Amino acid sequence: DGGITQSPKYLFRKEGQNVTLSCEQNLNHDAMYWYRQDPGQGLRLIYYSQIVNDFQKGDIAEGYSVSREKKESFPLTVTSAQKNPTAFYLCASSIFAGSTDTQYFGPGTRLTVL
Amino acid sequence: AQSVTQPDIHITVSEGASLELRCNYSYGATPYLFWYVQSPGQGLQLLLKYFSGDTLVQGIKGFEAEFKRSQSSFNLRKPSVHWSDAAEYFCAVGATGNTGKLIFGQGTTLQVKP
Repeated sequence: DGGITQSPKYLFRKEGQNVTLSCEQNLNHDAMYWYRQDPGQGLRLIYYSQIVNDFQKGDIAEGYSVSREKKESFPLTVTSAQKNPTAFYLCASSIFAGSTDTQYFGPGTRLTVL
Repeated sequence: AQSVTQPDIHITVSEGASLELRCNYSYGATPYLFWYVQSPGQGLQLLLKYFSGDTLVQGIKGFEAEFKRSQSSFNLRKPSVHWSDAAEYFCAVGATGNTGKLIFGQGTTLQVKP
């Protein structure tokens, strides 16, 4: 089955630690996105990538980093510089880069800082 | 700047009653508009989208939405709500420029009374 997988589903982190959230898609989509979701705030874009080895900052990129070494993978690292990382993180992809189209979402990772 | 407003944070309807969720957008040209649904702890699923053509759009699960340019609205409707429709609903608009980015509203939580 084609789709987007995110792992782990739940992640706990101690303050001061970096953690990496996995996002993989087998849809052969060009573009991939990372969103952060907090209650009552909708989805806010962290980073997006339209092509391998290239990515752009979204609206709330501070304290986060990404890489896009393979078309199917777009991992997100939450660094210790992110002041309030507890949130629900969603990865998405769309078929073409540079054009508006449906974004398909993974099941999400809930990150909790202890 | 582009924006999406969902005026109702929380709506409660009785099972079998009709439903309308409001969405207003700010956009200079013809927008690309989307409605997504999210069950608790899950990713987002596309209900329907409008790119051009007929302003009344049919989606999955019996939902429809109407694009009204004069009112800058894209309201979601369903004639008869089922208990399984209880979820959070997000309206989104495609951002300007060739980025593929979507701008999301803050979401409306739908509760269904038996």
